[in-house]
Amino acid sequence: GEDVEQSLFLSVREGDSSVINCTYTDSSSTYLYWYKQEPGAGLQLLTYIFSNMDMKQDQRLTVLLNKKDKHLSLRIADTQTGDSAIYFCAEGGRLTGGGNKLTFGTGTQLKVEL
Amino acid sequence: DARVTQTPRHKVTEMGQEVTMRCQPILGHNTVFWYRQTMMQGLELLAYFRNRAPLDDSGMPKDRFSAEMPDATLATLKIQPSEPRDSAVYFCASGLVLSGGAFTGELFFGEGSRLTVL
Repeated sequence: GEDVEQSLFLSVREGDSSVINCTYTDSSSTYLYWYKQEPGAGLQLLTYIFSNMDMKQDQRLTVLLNKKDKHLSLRIADTQTGDSAIYFCAEGGRLTGGGNKLTFGTGTQLKVEL
Repeated sequence: DARVTQTPRHKVTEMGQEVTMRCQPILGHNTVFWYRQTMMQGLELLAYFRNRAPLDDSGMPKDRFSAEMPDATLATLKIQPSEPRDSAVYFCASGLVLSGGAFTGELFFGEGSRLTVL
């Protein structure tokens, strides 16, 4: 079955770059995602990457996908205290057919220190 | 501002009591998911529905949990009887699967129902 793994914690200083890593097992996913969960809230889609891409940049966010190694990363440039949250990697999504559920990783707690 | 609404936000109950959590998905979304979040297990998929029909509830303990969609605007998750190990935050999320099955995977989550079973 599908499995998505992430490290549990990451601590960075404000202004530094953060890199959150994820490995997954299902190579048939059409999309891979990063969701963000702020304290006391539900998850919110942050960004996603189509499986035939290897990089996507969106302002301070850069997503890198290594399909061969089934490795996904999220880089946050100039990390701010407002970026402190839990970040979930997820795989799934399909262009056609069934299998519409997402499998989430365990989440990485990002703590940004002054 | 369309959003998923969950009630109650917080629930404290005693072991053995029935608990019902409700979710109003975003209008027009045809897929609804129930997830459970705990420190130990992370985010677990309990059940999901498309067009109100259950597609997968294999993540749910069948003897005590039940999930339904009485209509397109309401999804319910019931636990009877509740146990202390059910203590968790329960999230509902909705999304749109297009005809032909295309799904971009963007889920919209509610704020969760935090359940504590004593």
